Amino acid sequence: EAQVTQNPRYLITVTGKKLTVTCSQNMNHEYMSWYRQDPGLGLRQIYYSMNVEVTDKGDVPEGYKVSRKEKRNFPLILESPSPNQTSLYFCASSLSGGDQPQHFGDGTRLSIL
Amino acid sequence: GIQVEQSPPDLILQEGANSTLRCNFSDSVNNLQWFHQNPWGQLINLFYIPSGTKQNGRLSATTVATERYSLLYISSSQTTDSGVYFCAVLPNAGGTSYGKLTFGQGTILTVHP
Repeated sequence: EAQVTQNPRYLITVTGKKLTVTCSQNMNHEYMSWYRQDPGLGLRQIYYSMNVEVTDKGDVPEGYKVSRKEKRNFPLILESPSPNQTSLYFCASSLSGGDQPQHFGDGTRLSIL
Repeated sequence: GIQVEQSPPDLILQEGANSTLRCNFSDSVNNLQWFHQNPWGQLINLFYIPSGTKQNGRLSATTVATERYSLLYISSSQTTDSGVYFCAVLPNAGGTSYGKLTFGQGTILTVHP
């Protein structure tokens, strides 16, 4: 089954403790991206990647890092999480990021205390 | 950047009723998708419909690209249809972030038994 898999689905952690949210897709997609969703602000793009070793900032990249060492994986790294990063996070992928549908993971709900 | 407006913002229905949700966008697009966000936060991909008409069971969608709007029809609504419906677009002209979907603010649908 074609899917985008995020882990964990839920995480409660504390300020400053490094964490990684994993994202994996099995569709051989070149394009992957991360969004965060916050009440009143909607979904905003954090980072995107057009292919292996090619990443770029979205609208709200501060406090986040990403890497794309393999085509299927695009982890989101919070080196020193802070409470304002408490949010619902989504990973998405598509064939090339252009005129093709984007597929979203089930979301990761992060709470930073 | 491109503007996406959805209407109505809220909709309350009795089970069995039909409804139409609208999405207006301010510029030409090469990707338009409708999503349903369920109470668990998952974004379910309903339609990829940059133009034309598609149907999937009780749901159908029409996009008139030349007039910059899309409609989502829900017939014989069920309680499981409750949630938030998002329209998301990718402008033709690109922009500051390749492949970034711009989401509308959503329509909150509540279906009562």
